[in-house]
Amino acid sequence: EAQVTQNPRYLITVTGKKLTVTCSQNMNHEYMSWYRQDPGLGLRQIYYSMNVEVTDKGDVPEGYKVSRKEKRNFPLILESPSPNQTSLYFCASSFRTGGYEQYFGPGTRLTVT
Amino acid sequence: GENVEQHPSTLSVQEGDSAVIKCTYSDSASNYFPWYKQELGKGPQLIIDIRSNVGEKKDQRIAVTLNKTAKHFSLHITETQPEDSAVYFCAASSNYQLIWGAGTKLIIKP
Repeated sequence: EAQVTQNPRYLITVTGKKLTVTCSQNMNHEYMSWYRQDPGLGLRQIYYSMNVEVTDKGDVPEGYKVSRKEKRNFPLILESPSPNQTSLYFCASSFRTGGYEQYFGPGTRLTVT
Repeated sequence: GENVEQHPSTLSVQEGDSAVIKCTYSDSASNYFPWYKQELGKGPQLIIDIRSNVGEKKDQRIAVTLNKTAKHFSLHITETQPEDSAVYFCAASSNYQLIWGAGTKLIIKP
């Protein structure tokens, strides 16, 4: 089954404790992206990757890191989480960027206390 | 840069009635306009899309219209059903990136 998986689905952590949210897709997609979703603000892009070893900042990259060492995986790293990073996070992938359907993961609900 | 505005933020309609959600975009070079539906507890899912060389597209009860001159596009849902309750997002492709609207919460009243 074609899908995007994210782990963990729920995470409660404390300020400053490094964490990683994993994202994996099995569709051989070139493009992958991370979004955060906050009430009233819609989907805001954090980082995206157009292919292996190619990543770029989205609209809200501060406090986040990403890597794309393999085509299928695109982990999101929070080196020192803060309470303003409490949010719902989505990973997405598509064949290429631009005019192609994006497939979203189920989301990761992160709470930073 | 590109900006996409989506209205209304919340829409409540009686079951069986039609619902219309509207979006405007700023970049005249945008050429791809998808609509996504997000059900509670899930990620957004593409329901319909339209490209700039087409004015209208239909898929059963849903349709999208595009007015390139006015730079706006709309989602139309007819004969609404309880399962249409969700958050709907529009987006526009600009410089190979998707710019998202803020979302519309559609409520279907029984």
